[in-house]
Amino acid sequence: DAGVIQSPRHEVTEMGQEVTLRCKPISGHNSLFWYRQTMMRGLELLIYFNNNVPIDDSGMPEDRFSAKMPNASFSTLKIQPSEPRDSAVYFCASSPGTGGKAFFGQGTRLTVV
Amino acid sequence: GENVEQHPSTLSVQEGDSAVIKCTYSDSASNYFPWYKQELGKGPQLIIDIRSNVGEKKDQRIAVTLNKTAKHFSLHITETQPEDSAVYFCAAGRGGGGADGLTFGKGTHLIIQP
Repeated sequence: DAGVIQSPRHEVTEMGQEVTLRCKPISGHNSLFWYRQTMMRGLELLIYFNNNVPIDDSGMPEDRFSAKMPNASFSTLKIQPSEPRDSAVYFCASSPGTGGKAFFGQGTRLTVV
Repeated sequence: GENVEQHPSTLSVQEGDSAVIKCTYSDSASNYFPWYKQELGKGPQLIIDIRSNVGEKKDQRIAVTLNKTAKHFSLHITETQPEDSAVYFCAAGRGGGGADGLTFGKGTHLIIQP
């Protein structure tokens, strides 16, 4: 299995631009999570989906952030407009569901200048 | 919500010695406690986990203990090797697994001195 696949690996954008991060979960997994990692705040859960349905988005910092999961094999995290304080590494993880273990992708390093 | 505290933030040990990392959690409903290892430029990798119906679990040089009453759990690495150098994260969650999301500790930077 290729594991959780995220793209792009690195993204540099200017403040005010729209940014879209992409994730392909492990086939057969029905839970998907988006995390953000910074030095100050560590790993924070932003949102998670079960069977493509958003269950808890309480970790999404602002309305500028949105996430979708149109099907079982694809999810996006969008930031519009982006700000310098959004600079972080964003991880996607997937799990086979209740009782299952969560597996992380390699992350997308986002830099907003 | 859940709050996970992890100590120490940095741990330096001689190669061959043991390393212990400790975490506490606040939500008594948490029942799943995984440990992740993160190497530079990579995503966190699950190395061992324990559920609340078990007090201890071992996998070769790695062991985890859980004290539900005190709400703390620990990672023990014996006979440390240079490749053990990394950042280690503890986490806590409900629902018996990753399905409900995890709350992570701030991480421990483990340095193995040759």
